[in-house]
Amino acid sequence: EEKLVESGGGLVQPGGSLRLACRVSGFGLSSYSMSWVRQVTGKGLEWLAYISSSSATIYYADSVRGRFTISRDHAKDSLFLQMNSLRAEDTAVYHCARCQYDVDSGSYYFFDLWGQGTLVSVSS
Amino acid sequence: ETVLTQSPATLSVSPGERATLSCRAGHSISTNLAWYQQKPGQAPRLLIHGASTRATGIPARFSGSGSGTEFTLTISSLQSEDIGVYYCQQYNDWPPWTFGQGTKVEIK
Repeated sequence: EEKLVESGGGLVQPGGSLRLACRVSGFGLSSYSMSWVRQVTGKGLEWLAYISSSSATIYYADSVRGRFTISRDHAKDSLFLQMNSLRAEDTAVYHCARCQYDVDSGSYYFFDLWGQGTLVSVSS
Repeated sequence: ETVLTQSPATLSVSPGERATLSCRAGHSISTNLAWYQQKPGQAPRLLIHGASTRATGIPARFSGSGSGTEFTLTISSLQSEDIGVYYCQQYNDWPPWTFGQGTKVEIK
């Protein structure tokens, strides 16, 4: 079974840091681009960061650029999100998601597999 | 950034009836649109990509249509297990990949 499991969330003070991890199983991480998407409780989905299969290409949303860093370790079957300078508005559930290429249209990407998410709370 | 607007915010439908959800893009995105279902306490699940192609294992009662700026997700006969929030997402212009704000489907 293909699966994504996030970990590393918790309560942190404003200005603090956290490192989230996403462990994959049931498929080869090295074959896929990956993303992080967050969801404020009761609100919608916000794409945050993207990393290509080789790590050669990385994109960030404006809301996190310069504060968050996405990375991956194929030997550990894991994707990571280093979050620094955290703010109250970063409080959310953070999901990792597998990026899928649309072979019919030749367009990139929709997200065909998601993890359950890990909750990050930023509060003093 | 491509803005997606979903309507209605909440949809109440009787079991067995049709549910029709709308997603409008701020400019043409061809058919580069996906739909997701999120049940309470669960991760989002891919339903549709390419505006109309059902993902693996998705029941035939779910169908998608549209192109350009207007898209529709139809549940032909609503079942109790279909309650949740449905999101559209565009992958025509990126980054960023953007989502609509969601439509909550509930049983009438």
